[in-house]
Amino acid sequence: AQSVTQPDIHITVSEGASLELRCNYSYGATPYLFWYVQSPGQGLQLLLKYFSGDTLVQGIKGFEAEFKRSQSSFNLRKPSVHWSDAAEYFCAVGSMNSGYSTLTFGKGTMLLVSP
Amino acid sequence: EAGVVQSPRYKIIEKKQPVAFWCNPISGHNTLYWYLQNLGQGPELLIRYENEEAVDDSQLPKDRFSAERLKGVDSTLKIQPAELGDSAVYLCASSSGGTPQETQYFGPGTRLLVL
Repeated sequence: AQSVTQPDIHITVSEGASLELRCNYSYGATPYLFWYVQSPGQGLQLLLKYFSGDTLVQGIKGFEAEFKRSQSSFNLRKPSVHWSDAAEYFCAVGSMNSGYSTLTFGKGTMLLVSP
Repeated sequence: EAGVVQSPRYKIIEKKQPVAFWCNPISGHNTLYWYLQNLGQGPELLIRYENEEAVDDSQLPKDRFSAERLKGVDSTLKIQPAELGDSAVYLCASSSGGTPQETQYFGPGTRLLVL
């Protein structure tokens, strides 16, 4: 069965500093990988996704993520964090189980941005 | 384009009472999902619909939970009777197809508190 690990429960970054959120997945086949962001009281918004091709994918709000098959990782990065980026970030892997697609989420990383 | 609509946004009930959540997916999206999100956790799938057919309800606690999508558009998730442990956020999502590559679009969720 597939699984997603986000090792950091929360991270604090100074405004303007760079950010990297870690995500490791477990899945036997080629994974479909997603990063979602959830602001307080809001639903999840898709930041970016990877299916195939270029392992560095660009997303919205200046985010990017790099797929590394050898490390089973899909880390999210941003070169300069803004206070509005404070939110919870979820990594997810999409797969097929018994003929139906499944999206498995990690437990999330809460990003705090300090002035 | 309107997003996924959910109501109510918040609900407080006493244990053993019934409760229902409503979801209207993005127009044209045939696939609809209900997720449960406990505090500090990522969303977990409860049930998935393809049009009006529930194609994956293996994680739905059928002794107290039920769902319907009668006309293949909006959907209702019901809990009867509610227990203290049901306090969580219930998220609805929709997608245009059922493959793993399809982006799932999430509503804002219904936050349930059972007293």
